[in-house]
Order: sequence, then C-alpha cells, then structure tokens
Amino acid sequence: DAKTTQPPSMDCAEGRAANLPCNHSTISGNEYVYWYRQIHSQGPQYIIHGLKNNETNEMASLIITEDRKSSTLILPHATLRDTAVYYCIVRVANDYKLSFGAGTTVTVRA
Amino acid sequence: GAVVSQHPSRVICKSGTSVKIECRSLDFQATTMFWYRQFPKQSLMLMATSNEGSKATYEQGVEKDKFLINHASLTLSTLTVTSAHPEDSSFYICSAFGSSGREHNEQFFGPGTRLTVL
Repeated sequence: DAKTTQPPSMDCAEGRAANLPCNHSTISGNEYVYWYRQIHSQGPQYIIHGLKNNETNEMASLIITEDRKSSTLILPHATLRDTAVYYCIVRVANDYKLSFGAGTTVTVRA
Repeated sequence: GAVVSQHPSRVICKSGTSVKIECRSLDFQATTMFWYRQFPKQSLMLMATSNEGSKATYEQGVEKDKFLINHASLTLSTLTVTSAHPEDSSFYICSAFGSSGREHNEQFFGPGTRLTVL
C-alpha cells in the first residue's frame, strides 16, 4: 500500500511554477522519495528522486523537509505538456518495486 | 534516458483467446522487469516481477497460470494473458532497469499496451 498522501488534483497556469506537495510522515531513514508522472495513456516517466538533500535536474526540483516527512516537487515553468498525473513514491534503495498511489492530477491551463 | 518498448500498443481479442505482450529494453540490458496493470481512472497495480532466467514473482491475488511471464533474455520479457475474458481488459505496462552498478537506478517504463477483450 502507498505510504504517501497527495492532493487528488490541482490546476496551474502556464508559465507559472507548479508546486506539488507530498506527505510521507512514516518514511524510514533508508527510504528515498521518488517522483514519476504519467501523461494520459502513456507509461510513467521518471522525474527526480532524493533522500534528504534538495535535488534539481532539467525537469524539476525536489524540496524535502528537514524531518523528511514531506516534500514538494517544483515544476519551474509549467507548460501544457506538463498536464499529467504525478506520483510521489517512497522506496528503499535496494527494493526496486514501486507502489503507486492515486497521485495528483495536474492540469496546466493556458 | 533508457528506452523500453512494448508490442503491440493495442490489441483487441475475442474472449477465450490468449494474447502475448512483449516488453523490450532497447539500449540497455534489463536484469529485472516489472509488469503493471492499470484500469481506467485507477493507479498502476504491480502484477509481477520478472528476473532474467528465473521464474517470475507474482503479487498477491495475481494468477500465475493466467498471466504467464517469460524473461528469456536480458532485453525481452513477455506477458501472456491466457484465456482472456472481458474483465482482463486493461492497460498493461512494463518497466525495466539494468545492472549498471548504480544503487538507485530509476525504472524506465514502456508506453503500455491497451488490451480489449470482447
């Protein structure tokens, strides 16, 4: 069962930053936070992951609170193509199974 | 990133027939592949873990005799839905990761196969 809680949906204006929250209050010390997204009728796409430090790549930034009980995925300049379901998943490093929750349906509007 | 393909992308079959879905890692060797199923408006549900050269490990509630998985090579895993029925209609997605030595390999997902059983 999923160990994360995400809002079911959110809207975002094109060109603005989208901040996607995720609660993982029962996260263990050896669990990483992963983010994937799934555009309609496609397979999920890896976005970013982190343990306790903030991370940034070409797609997004990941901000993890100091107590690691929550995190925020930031899409710096949302485009219409970022409309998707975003999944926040916690995972132990050497257990490659991914448990998908309901995710957040993000709709980017022009 | 690495590329994973699935074939076919969509298939329609009659009830009682068997359907084979292929999952290929195109530019890396995948020691482990996963098969997921996704019903409309629902999240992905893991069905089984497929390791190259060994028997698949099925999640609780998934019938291994109905969903046959073969991982005969480091680049190919197949899922065969035997004696398909309308309730098996779903979006089937595979994922793969390889043994590059990185501890935190991200999984790469295929584009999915839409199965419709009439």
